[in-house]
Amino acid sequence: AAGVIQSPRHLIKEKRETATLKCYPIPRHDTVYWYQQGPGQDPQFLISFYEKMQSDKGSIPDRFSAQQFSDYHSELNMSSLELGDSALYFCASSDEQRYNEQFFGPGTRLTVL
Amino acid sequence: GDSVTQMEGPVTLSEEAFLTINCTYTATGYPSLFWYVQYPGEGLQLLLKATKADDKGSNKGFEATYRKETTSFHLEKGSVQVSDSAVYFCALSDGDYNQGGKLIFGQGTELSVKP
Repeated sequence: AAGVIQSPRHLIKEKRETATLKCYPIPRHDTVYWYQQGPGQDPQFLISFYEKMQSDKGSIPDRFSAQQFSDYHSELNMSSLELGDSALYFCASSDEQRYNEQFFGPGTRLTVL
Repeated sequence: GDSVTQMEGPVTLSEEAFLTINCTYTATGYPSLFWYVQYPGEGLQLLLKATKADDKGSNKGFEATYRKETTSFHLEKGSVQVSDSAVYFCALSDGDYNQGGKLIFGQGTELSVKP
């Protein structure tokens, strides 16, 4: 069965650089969630989209922005990167019929040097 | 706001031992409750869920019952295996009545099962 795809899997950036993380949800899933998991921490909700519109917003810094495109894939754009942005970033998707089941991708590990 | 608290780890057990990982929650509405498992270097996998009070979720020998009166959703397994070694996250969905919504996670409990 198709799963959530995230790219890249690993990313190394310098401070003050920008990064773009991509998420391809399971086919026919219309909702995408982004989470950030710091080392040894629980995942924290950043932002979500339903049918290409932002549906909820969590603790996402103003330096970050995200969108969902017409093919339902989503991108998380991160600017002016800081050391504290080093984390595992997960994307999850769900569909209208099974709102409560979020399927997670493998994550993108971002390291800011 | 809504929150989830789970027992601290790491939890170390011998193979075939009984497992309990405690999870309690605080919520203003009627959330759905979940257990996710994270194996080293991997993403989160849904282990089981319960969407209303007294529901029991079960999968792969694990089970948890949604207890509204004690606001708890403890994870249990009768006989653990080495392959169960992972980090377990309790979570709630902040949408009411099975409407979905963002997940709020507990801090995770690392389980290590020794042969």
